[in-house]
Amino acid sequence: SAVISQKPSRDICQRGTSLTIQCQVDSQVTMMFWYRQQPGQSLTLIATANQGSEATYESGFVIDKFPISRPNLTFSTLTVSNMSPEDSSIYLCSVESGTEFSYEQYFGPGTRLTVT
Amino acid sequence: AQSVTQLDSQVPVFEEAPVELRCNYSSSVSVYLFWYVQYPNQGLQLLLKYLSGSTLVKGINGFEAEFNKSQTSFHLRKPSVHISDTAEYFCALSNFGNEKLTFGTGTRLTIIP
Repeated sequence: SAVISQKPSRDICQRGTSLTIQCQVDSQVTMMFWYRQQPGQSLTLIATANQGSEATYESGFVIDKFPISRPNLTFSTLTVSNMSPEDSSIYLCSVESGTEFSYEQYFGPGTRLTVT
Repeated sequence: AQSVTQLDSQVPVFEEAPVELRCNYSSSVSVYLFWYVQYPNQGLQLLLKYLSGSTLVKGINGFEAEFNKSQTSFHLRKPSVHISDTAEYFCALSNFGNEKLTFGTGTRLTIIP
């Protein structure tokens, strides 16, 4: 299993500013994922972050808006840039763990962002 | 393209009654299927998963799900619910060799005392 922590747990930000969310894992993992959960909706994958390479973004998400860093195998950051009220969401990081026959994804507690 | 459909956005159930939360999927390749639970103001917790083998999988908190390939379904069941089961439940899939999860829209389970 993997234990994931995120900072901050919640924040209220003004439009036009940026917020960096940190994700820390208690073990080394190859792949980390960032998801967005808009109010009352399901989770949408923003990007996949591998250590030592550029993050891979899903359709509708761009690096200029959501830059990601992955400096080592236990840590990643997601920045929400030039925020607008539409960015108000819960942002979750997750990691995969296990083998082909015991595969799981573990999720952090999330960062609840409100943009005013 | 693959997708997950949870037709019931909300399911109210009396305490100690059985419950079934429905999940259907669409994929052109073999899938792994998951059910996650999200308690209020918390992150996601894995309830159970189907990777291969027996189509009936048992998870935590007394939940189980059955993989039905012909009906492309993975419904979640519990024979007797408790107040503590009040939460949002998400069905998700991934493909072999592709770890990205595709989530359904979620089902809010409300337990009525």
